[in-house]
Formats: sequence, structure tokens, C-alpha cells
Amino acid sequence: QSVLTQPPSVSGAPGQRVTISCTGSSSDIGAGYDVYWYQQLPGTAPKLLIFGNSHRPSGVPDRFSGSKSGTSASLAITGLQAEDEGDYYCQSYDPSLSGSAVFGGGTKLTVL
Amino acid sequence: QVQLVQSGAEVEKPGASVKVSCKASGYSFTGYYLHWVRQAPGQGLEWMGRINPNGGGTNYAHKFQGRVTMTRDTSISTAYMELSSLTSDDTAIYYCARVSSGWYRDAFDIWGHGTMVTVSS
Repeated sequence: QSVLTQPPSVSGAPGQRVTISCTGSSSDIGAGYDVYWYQQLPGTAPKLLIFGNSHRPSGVPDRFSGSKSGTSASLAITGLQAEDEGDYYCQSYDPSLSGSAVFGGGTKLTVL
Repeated sequence: QVQLVQSGAEVEKPGASVKVSCKASGYSFTGYYLHWVRQAPGQGLEWMGRINPNGGGTNYAHKFQGRVTMTRDTSISTAYMELSSLTSDDTAIYYCARVSSGWYRDAFDIWGHGTMVTVSS
């Protein structure tokens, strides 16, 4: 069972907007730790999508955006494209063990 | 080009150990923590632990304490993850990932391609 809670799946038609939630607790996200988002396309390693709650690495389209509030965070994807289909994971840190990362269970995005 | 190149797939018997390598290139190996994350078939990501290549200090997830050992060889910019007493539940893809502080605020910014470890009798 993952420390961070994500919906198992979301879907949307091309061009639409979808959001993926990530719920933590007062021990991780709510304690002020940053949230990160990773995209994992079929058969590939995860790729950093959002860091520091809302920042995009160079090369990530601005269709992807992140936000954080209280003990939760969200990833929004606008203008859905077929190539966005894959798994999305949120991640934060657990202060109980130095450097310990915690992940959400992952959300499968299906582009209809 | 910054990259992490991992060793090839492994097949091990229950009770055995496996050692996976992760070779860094394109950056200062001792300047960044390396973490290990695994993913069982059809499942999510699970953090296993980390190593500081500068000094070799480690932190392991409680679940793997006593069974995992992370080491490094700075002369060849390579980190290793050894997992012992394998069971079928350890069948997974094992990833190494670099964590960048500063601008990236401790994100896993570079990932290895993964090493498939299969535990089967």
C-alpha cells in the first residue's frame, strides 16, 4: 500500500483536460515537502515531469502543470494527446528516514 | 550526455543474491546521491534506499534493512545494489536514479533504463 494516494485511472479524449490527484498526510506533503511527478510510458523508465510542486524541466511541454495545497497535490494535462497515454506517479519525501522517498501508487492515463 | 547505464537482466533462484550495477557518465559521480527504486510487474514504484557516492553513506527503507547492500566504486563511477535471500516477490525491474538538489530541489532527474530481476526455481 502506497503512502501517497492516487486514483488508479483517468481518461480523456484528445484535446481535453484531465487532472490527477495525489493525497498525502501531515507527515509528508503537509509537512512542507515538495511534490514531484513522473511520467512512465509503456516499456520505459520513469521520466521527471514536474519538480518542486509546479516547475517543469526543460523540454516538458507547458501542457503539463502541477500544484500543491495542504496535504494534496495535482497534475493537470491540457490538450491531451495520444502520446500522453501511460502511467503517472507522484512522489514526495518521508522525514522519518533521511532521504526516504515515497511514491503514489500510480495513475494510468488512457487517451480515448 | 548525462546517463545511468545499468547491468543486464538476471535470473536467480529463491534464496540466492543478486547484484545490479549502475554506471554514471556525463557528470561528477560523487556530486549526487543515487537511489534505487524497484517496480514489480504491473505494480507501482517502490523506494529501496540511497547511497552517497561521496563517502559511501547509505540509507535503506525499513522493508529492506538487513537484506540490501548499496555500495559504489568511485574509480569507475559505478554504484551497486545487492539484494539477498531472494523470493519470488523480488521479481521486478530495478532502477537506479540520480537525485539533483539545487534547481531541481531533490528530484529524481536522471533514471537508469532498469534491470529486470527474475526469481524463479
